[in-house]
Amino acid sequence: KAGVTQTPRYLIKTRGQQVTLSCSPISGHRSVSWYQQTPGQGLQFLFEYFSETQRNKGNFPGRFSGRQFSNSRSEMNVSTLELGDSALYLCASSPVAGLRANEQFFGPGTRLTVL
Amino acid sequence: SQKIEQNSEALNIQEGKTATLTCNYTNYSPAYLQWYRQDPGRGPVFLLLIRENEKEKRKERLKVTFDTTLKQSLFHITASQPADSATYLCALDGAGGFKTIFGAGTRLFVKA
Repeated sequence: KAGVTQTPRYLIKTRGQQVTLSCSPISGHRSVSWYQQTPGQGLQFLFEYFSETQRNKGNFPGRFSGRQFSNSRSEMNVSTLELGDSALYLCASSPVAGLRANEQFFGPGTRLTVL
Repeated sequence: SQKIEQNSEALNIQEGKTATLTCNYTNYSPAYLQWYRQDPGRGPVFLLLIRENEKEKRKERLKVTFDTTLKQSLFHITASQPADSATYLCALDGAGGFKTIFGAGTRLFVKA
């Protein structure tokens, strides 16, 4: 099975712009979670989607949003970018059911740099 | 607020020794706890999951313990190898849709 894929891998934007990141989960996985990773804060949960519905949300401002499509692919959007949004954005998919229900499979991440 | 603490200092050990990493948490009652490995520039990779009613779990050279009274998990790598050098993250999940909370990770260096 192909792993979780994220596009693009690297992105450079300037303050005030917006960005959309994409994540394709492992085939058959219906849950997709997004995380922001920075050296100072570590891995922080952004939100989780399951069957096109947001199930959980972390403590991030409304500039961070996401959605999930019927094929389980997910996108996250960050509007009005700030310097502090520079981070590695990770997507993880989970089968939800079965023996490995709670295991999260991470993609390689998108490295976002805001100038 | 919910908090997970992992030793922020890097752990340096000699090849062949046992590495022990600690994960402590407060203000949380996790249904299960997971350990992940992360290499530089890559996403975390799942290693082990232990449930609240389990005391210990093993997988090859890895062993995880979970003490819900002490609110602590220990992660052991026996017969460590230089290839085990990485950052190890612990993560907590509650039951019923609680979001996953990750610790900041502990960097492990295994010297040959």
